Amino acid sequence: NAGVMQNPRHLVRRRGQEARLRCSPMKGHSHVYWYRQLPEEGLKFMVYLQKENIIDESGMPKERFSAEFPKEGPSILRIQQVVRGDSAAYFCASSPGAGDVYNSPLHFGNGTRLTVT
Amino acid sequence: ELKVEQNPLFLSMQEGKNYTIYCNYSTTSDRLYWYRQDPGKSLESLFVLLSNGAVKQEGRLMASLDTKARLSTLHITAAVHDLSATYFCAVDTNDYKLSFGAGTTVTVRA
Repeated sequence: NAGVMQNPRHLVRRRGQEARLRCSPMKGHSHVYWYRQLPEEGLKFMVYLQKENIIDESGMPKERFSAEFPKEGPSILRIQQVVRGDSAAYFCASSPGAGDVYNSPLHFGNGTRLTVT
Repeated sequence: ELKVEQNPLFLSMQEGKNYTIYCNYSTTSDRLYWYRQDPGKSLESLFVLLSNGAVKQEGRLMASLDTKARLSTLHITAAVHDLSATYFCAVDTNDYKLSFGAGTTVTVRA
């Protein structure tokens, strides 16, 4: 019974390269959320997606960042032309998106730790 | 913009003693979550608090929610070493768009 699966666990990129982070939600979950955690800080909401739809991207920087959740396959968070300030832990979470879901906590994956050199 | 403030940010506990972490938030919400994070790990859910006056307990941890005061507390009874971690509260105003506090880093010493 796999939880939220993220890969890679660690990713090192040089400035200017692209970073792709993947997230497979829990089985039966159709809603995915991406959060970013900078060192010594709490998580910050980035984007909320359902299959093939971006529902809320208000927390995502307007430039260089994009996210998708295709009909088939994992959700992808893509960061183009990375800069040192993008170094952070990126967490994905999922929910079933139906019914009385808020009685349940949001379940997070193990995160991808991005280091930009 | 919803602001969530936790205090203290750092808490050095002595084994066997009791402590409280506070979480204040700025906007009306009926949903508040507590998570624990160990260094380099993901977030582990501790409590879901969904209504005013909600109180939940698990082992040495007890969480409560006062929506009128916009305050949640996490009470630790008789601290033990394996409670050392960072504790986050998170407030949800819409569709799991959670606003997290900065976290309280707890160290339990003998």
